[in-house]
Amino acid sequence: SQQGEEDPQALSIQEGENATMNCSYKTSINNLQWYRQNSGRGLVHLILIRSNEREKHSGRLRVTLDTSKKSSSLLITASRAADTASYFCATPASDSWGKLQFGAGTQVVVTP
Amino acid sequence: EAQVTQNPRYLITVTGKKLTVTCSQNMNHEYMSWYRQDPGLGLRQIYYSMNVEVTDKGDVPEGYKVSRKEKRNFPLILESPSPNQTSLYFCASSFGDSDTQYFGPGTRLTVL
Repeated sequence: SQQGEEDPQALSIQEGENATMNCSYKTSINNLQWYRQNSGRGLVHLILIRSNEREKHSGRLRVTLDTSKKSSSLLITASRAADTASYFCATPASDSWGKLQFGAGTQVVVTP
Repeated sequence: EAQVTQNPRYLITVTGKKLTVTCSQNMNHEYMSWYRQDPGLGLRQIYYSMNVEVTDKGDVPEGYKVSRKEKRNFPLILESPSPNQTSLYFCASSFGDSDTQYFGPGTRLTVL
């Protein structure tokens, strides 16, 4: 079963706008990761946030984590056409050490 | 260059014909994992390995085998492929299960 679920499933914005997507998970975690996937290609790690962190930045990316609500958000500021991709959150599975579970992803389309 | 390689990248085969997808990493990572990606289902973990000779099942292990005889290699074996194993497969590696995972480019498998 999926641990993380992203919302929305799809997002269409124009260049320069901000894109926000959310991830909800079901059980306690020690970290949450965000990945990007360009069409049909391998996933690329964006950012990892640990359970004792509330916010983390990396370039135009901002990730928040609210462990009380079991949710995380990824904000992409000043989006570019090159940000067009699918974005996934991933969390360690609660029932077994070593398993990593991904959500179904948010498909982001940035139009020039 | 640090990377995860997979071979073949594309494969069309027939039901029942045994096949192996190879995965190799040059980063001395202890943790390796196989995923399959299907539309609407995100990435699902098939098997993972914490170290040489240590493997365990992910969420969808049925119909697959793995082995980890060397640290750098983690092949995925389909002893008797079936059409429901048609999918996009990714290998990934990391230093630990809670660390950034590095993904290979993917293997698109079609079983007729």
